[in-house]
Amino acid sequence: GEDVEQSLFLSVREGDSSVINCTYTDSSSTYLYWYKQEPGAGLQLLTYIFSNMDMKQDQRLTVLLNKKDKHLSLRIADTQTGDSAIYFCAESLYGQNFVFGPGTRLSVLP
Amino acid sequence: NAGVMQNPRHLVRRRGQEARLRCSPMKGHSHVYWYRQLPEEGLKFMVYLQKENIIDESGMPKERFSAEFPKEGPSILRIQQVVRGDSAAYFCASRGTENEKLFFGSGTQLSVL
Repeated sequence: GEDVEQSLFLSVREGDSSVINCTYTDSSSTYLYWYKQEPGAGLQLLTYIFSNMDMKQDQRLTVLLNKKDKHLSLRIADTQTGDSAIYFCAESLYGQNFVFGPGTRLSVLP
Repeated sequence: NAGVMQNPRHLVRRRGQEARLRCSPMKGHSHVYWYRQLPEEGLKFMVYLQKENIIDESGMPKERFSAEFPKEGPSILRIQQVVRGDSAAYFCASRGTENEKLFFGSGTQLSVL
């Protein structure tokens, strides 16, 4: 079946770049997403990429997709304390069935 | 333009009672998803509904849990005879028919005493 994997924890220092990695198994996935969850809140869509793209940049966020290796990454430049949260990777087939990873807890140290 | 609205935000029930969780999707959205999140865990898919239809309920426990999305009104996730293990955050998400973006509500935190 479909599966999405992520490392569970990441710590970085304020001002450094963060790179959160994700692997997925379904090669027919058409969209791949990054969501952010702050404590006590729902998931906020940060960015997403169509599977025929290999990179997408949006301000401090850069998404890289290696479709051959089924690997997705999210780079956050100049990481701030407000970026501390859980980041979920997700995939979908034509925006229908969504499969989420377990989430990576990002801690930003001063 | 209101986002996905869930209520109540917090719900406390005693074992054996019923819990009803409501979700109003974003305006114009006719696809609703329910997820459960246990403490320190990821999201577990429960059910996917369109107006008046259950599309995929493969993540729903076979007993005590049901979901509906009527023609009028919010989607309801109903848990009968709650047990302590049902304590979790329940999230609803919605999307439009021609839209690949899924938007989440703030969740309902269910606590079973």
